[in-house]
Amino acid sequence: NAGVTQTPKFQVLKTGQSMTLQCAQDMNHNSMYWYRQDPGMGLRLIYYSASEGTTDKGEVPNGYNVSRLNKREFSLRLESAAPSQTSVYFCASRWWFGFGAQPQHFGDGTRLSIL
Amino acid sequence: GIQVEQSPPDLILQEGANSTLRCNFSDSVNNLQWFHQNPWGQLINLFYIPSGTKQNGRLSATTVATERYSLLYISSSQTTDSGVYFCAVGGSQGNLIFGKGTKLSVKP
Repeated sequence: NAGVTQTPKFQVLKTGQSMTLQCAQDMNHNSMYWYRQDPGMGLRLIYYSASEGTTDKGEVPNGYNVSRLNKREFSLRLESAAPSQTSVYFCASRWWFGFGAQPQHFGDGTRLSIL
Repeated sequence: GIQVEQSPPDLILQEGANSTLRCNFSDSVNNLQWFHQNPWGQLINLFYIPSGTKQNGRLSATTVATERYSLLYISSSQTTDSGVYFCAVGGSQGNLIFGKGTKLSVKP
């Protein structure tokens, strides 16, 4: 059982470069999320996809774009990386229909450094 | 939005000691999870506990939703318990809203 898989695990970029972080889940969840974690902080929501075909901004969306490729995959793209985007990025998934509650499941994170 | 406050921010224990971590939240929630972030940065699901009490080995958790707090109990602590413990509650977008965590260090 892979759960939520993120690639790559580590990446170093130069300012201005672009890259895409990949996330895939095998639990047949409808909702997927991207968070970032900065030193000494909890996770903050970047973007989310409540269901296949929809995406919405979270708390800190500036500088990012997302694509819900299909039910399993949700990617996060940095078009022009900036040092302020140095962080650890987590992808998560869950069942969610706008009510009720189910636990979220997290990937192992992508550690991104931008020089 | 919902605010999540965790206390204490830092905790140092001797191996074998017990501890209680607290999570206060500012509004009613239908989802609450406790996580352990290990030294490798992985987020480990400990409990999904929007209300009531659960136990898993040396760890247990209680959420009193009507009073807007949750407690995580660690008994007979071990060095492998070290790391950061996060409380997270459900947001309106199905996301989780995280506290800043409690950093636990267990000394041998």
